[in-house]
Amino acid sequence: RKEVEQDPGPFNVPEGATVAFNCTYSNSASQSFFWYRQDCRKEPKLLMSVYSSGNEDGRFTAQLNRASQYISLLIRDSKLSDSATYLCVVKGGGNKLTFGTGTQLKVEL
Amino acid sequence: SQTIHQWPATLVQPVGSPLSLECTVEGTSNPNLYWYRQAAGRGLQLLFYSVGIGQISSEVPQNLSASRPQDRQFILSSKKLLLSDSGFYLCAWSNRFERLFFGSGTQLSVL
Repeated sequence: RKEVEQDPGPFNVPEGATVAFNCTYSNSASQSFFWYRQDCRKEPKLLMSVYSSGNEDGRFTAQLNRASQYISLLIRDSKLSDSATYLCVVKGGGNKLTFGTGTQLKVEL
Repeated sequence: SQTIHQWPATLVQPVGSPLSLECTVEGTSNPNLYWYRQAAGRGLQLLFYSVGIGQISSEVPQNLSASRPQDRQFILSSKKLLLSDSGFYLCAWSNRFERLFFGSGTQLSVL
């Protein structure tokens, strides 16, 4: 089992739609969780951290389920500019950050 | 504010040639530094990280090496490139083992 697994997509959604991505992790001792966004041929940039109680930043909501070992990212009212690859990142033991392979989102008119 | 510089942006090299990619960070001291590689359609693979000058940890055995000659300088090298070394190389820094700030990346094509 991979340390961090994501559905690669692509998720093709119309503008204005709500879309959700899940990410599962194998190390139950994982401490911190993040979502990064990566545009094509660009560097990844932090979108948001994921807190145990769940957190929201505008149209983006992140949640953590420690019991089932997954995190999720919900995007409401999708914009064309949301088209990108979303990377799940997990900090495990030894302070190692592990990246998922990413979920590709395409928002269409 | 902190900035990270990575160059070159693109590089085409023949098999067997040497490689040197450089990364520098400004606006912070004693950062943790990282080299990642992203192959086409694959996730980011951590190659090396460094917590201080001269301290390099390698995550995977490979044809590459890294050095940190100065506090805010991180260099990725190879003596002889292989076809499999092609990919998108990213330098990153963090002030703890938390949020990463990435450079703009180097697209390396080995032909």
